[in-house]
Amino acid sequence: AQKITQTQPGMFVQEKEAVTLDCTYDTSDQSYGLFWYKQPSSGEMIFLIYQGSYDEQNATEGRYSLNFQKARKSANLVISASQLGDSAMYFCAMRDGATGTYKYIFGTGTRLKVLA
Amino acid sequence: DSGVTQTPKHLITATGQRVTLRCSPRSGDLSVYWYQQSLDQGLQFLIQYYNGEERAKGNILERFSAQQFPDLHSELNLSSLELGDSALYFCASSVGVGAYNYGYTFGSGTRLTVV
Repeated sequence: AQKITQTQPGMFVQEKEAVTLDCTYDTSDQSYGLFWYKQPSSGEMIFLIYQGSYDEQNATEGRYSLNFQKARKSANLVISASQLGDSAMYFCAMRDGATGTYKYIFGTGTRLKVLA
Repeated sequence: DSGVTQTPKHLITATGQRVTLRCSPRSGDLSVYWYQQSLDQGLQFLIQYYNGEERAKGNILERFSAQQFPDLHSELNLSSLELGDSALYFCASSVGVGAYNYGYTFGSGTRLTVV
């Protein structure tokens, strides 16, 4: 069965520093997608970044980058130059490989607090 | 505004009651997904509809049902409510076919409190 594991329930980072949020996954599919979402205290889910299993380069979106290590089955999110507004819950998710469905499996999340 | 509209934003109801949560997907999106986010279970997939037809089912209780209408909006019906059904219910939408190298779009959620 597919599984996403986020082992860091909470993290602190100083403003302007970089932080890495860990995510490991388990799947027997060859084709899969990995996502990171941000959930601020207001509750909405904000898409941050995507990595496809066949993508050879790590995905980047502004201050977000995904450190994809396929052999280790890890997809860590790196946030550079942290800002106070980055304080939120962060979820790693994997798209189910079954044909015709795009349901996601989510990890338990990491709560990030950026310190001034 | 994500383009996915969920109503109502908040709902407080008593045990044993029935409620309906509504979702209007982003324009052009054919797939609608429902997720439940609770403190003890995290984010759990409930059900997916694609162009009016049920496409995938997750850990959805028998007391819950959903449908997608011809105009593509979807409703999630929760009946015989229990305290444990209190959660944030998200709807998300996607094109559903073709390019999928981006996350689907979530609505802002409906926070259900069962008292």
